[in-house]
Amino acid sequence: QKEVEQDPGPLSVPEGAIVSLNCTYSNSAFQYFMWYRQYSRKGPELLMYTYSSGNKEDGRFTAQVDKSSKYISLFIRDSQPSDSATYLCAMSASTGGFKTIFGAGTRLFVKA
Amino acid sequence: NAGVMQNPRHLVRRRGQEARLRCSPMKGHSHVYWYRQLPEEGLKFMVYLQKENIIDESGMPKERFSAEFPKEGPSILRIQQVVRGDSAAYFCASSPSGFRENTEAFFGQGTRLTVV
Repeated sequence: QKEVEQDPGPLSVPEGAIVSLNCTYSNSAFQYFMWYRQYSRKGPELLMYTYSSGNKEDGRFTAQVDKSSKYISLFIRDSQPSDSATYLCAMSASTGGFKTIFGAGTRLFVKA
Repeated sequence: NAGVMQNPRHLVRRRGQEARLRCSPMKGHSHVYWYRQLPEEGLKFMVYLQKENIIDESGMPKERFSAEFPKEGPSILRIQQVVRGDSAAYFCASSPSGFRENTEAFFGQGTRLTVV
């Protein structure tokens, strides 16, 4: 079993839809949870990060962490064609764990 | 302030040759991380370096791979005697402090290595 599981998609939605992206994980030591966006042939860029459980909102993006279920989500409201990219969840432990474990990424297509 | 610079962007090597991948971190960043990304897979941590020190190399294959971050100049990921399985995108990231403080790490655009 992988430490982090993420559905690779692709996920195709119409413009304006609400997008839900999810990851599950197995390591209860993870404390930091991140979402990265990666456009084709580019490096990942950090979108959101949260510490421990809870929600965090930034514009059209909301990140949720449920540590009891070992489940994290990223919601995108009013999705735009420019949101078309691969979204990678990532997580790391709090106790000096320099490794960040990435999910395989979900490819999202937002159709105009 | 330039971002993380990686070069070359694309590198083709024949089996058995050496590949050298370079990463210049963002100005003021002294922490560098290397990741490998295979098609349809997430980024896999390889090594974490500070200037002149390897902090964590638990993700590095034991043979043929090495990394350095000298006092002057870019960080180098070296792959000796490349094999077809080394074909991947290699990303470098940098941060001003250690990742454990969850300081944002900025990624370069990657080097795509193709072994023929």
